[in-house]
Amino acid sequence: QLQLVQSGAEMEKPGSSVKVSCKASGSTFNRKTISWVRQAPGQGLEWVGCIIPVYGTANYAPKFQGRISITADKATSTVYMDLRSLTSEDTAVYYCATSGGVAVSFFDPWGQGTPVTVSS
Amino acid sequence: EIVMTQSPATLSVSPGERVTLSCRASQSVSNKLSWYQQKPGQAPRLLIYASSVRATGIPDRFSGSGAGTDFTLTINSLQSEDFAVYYCQQYNDWPPITFGQGTRLDIK
Repeated sequence: QLQLVQSGAEMEKPGSSVKVSCKASGSTFNRKTISWVRQAPGQGLEWVGCIIPVYGTANYAPKFQGRISITADKATSTVYMDLRSLTSEDTAVYYCATSGGVAVSFFDPWGQGTPVTVSS
Repeated sequence: EIVMTQSPATLSVSPGERVTLSCRASQSVSNKLSWYQQKPGQAPRLLIYASSVRATGIPDRFSGSGAGTDFTLTINSLQSEDFAVYYCQQYNDWPPITFGQGTRLDIK
């Protein structure tokens, strides 16, 4: 059974960048798709983007294009999300989540979430 | 982008009752629709995928139905642990994957 463990809480200043990690264990993640989904305080869920580790190809939600990179390290079964030019609107809990197969579908399992706070 | 609209935003119900939550897509998503339950401070939990298939370990009081643009999640005989926020999600047309805004289930 695949499990996802994320890095710890981050606090960043406006204009800076944040890099959050998601480590998979218990099963191979190479032939799955790993997505990032965020949730601002008191708000709903928003898909940020995804990567297929076996191919290294990433797709991003249009609103994040140009300031996001999602990468995968197959050797350590870890996926990274790098978000740049942060504003207060990026304050959220960021979750990684798995879809079976090489396309995004439903998400199961999820990581525990990484709170990111952007404040001066 | 496919817009997912859930109704109602909040539902107040008593334990033991049956509830139906709705989710509508702005265009057809076929049966590529999933439902999640989220409790405060926790990650979402997959309940239903492919519109009507229960995820592993999900009690059979949860059921999903629908196709195209209109979907429902029904919870029979509400238990205390079912009071949470429920989200629908389409995965037929992406990027982006899109979620509904959620329905909060409160204890009456």
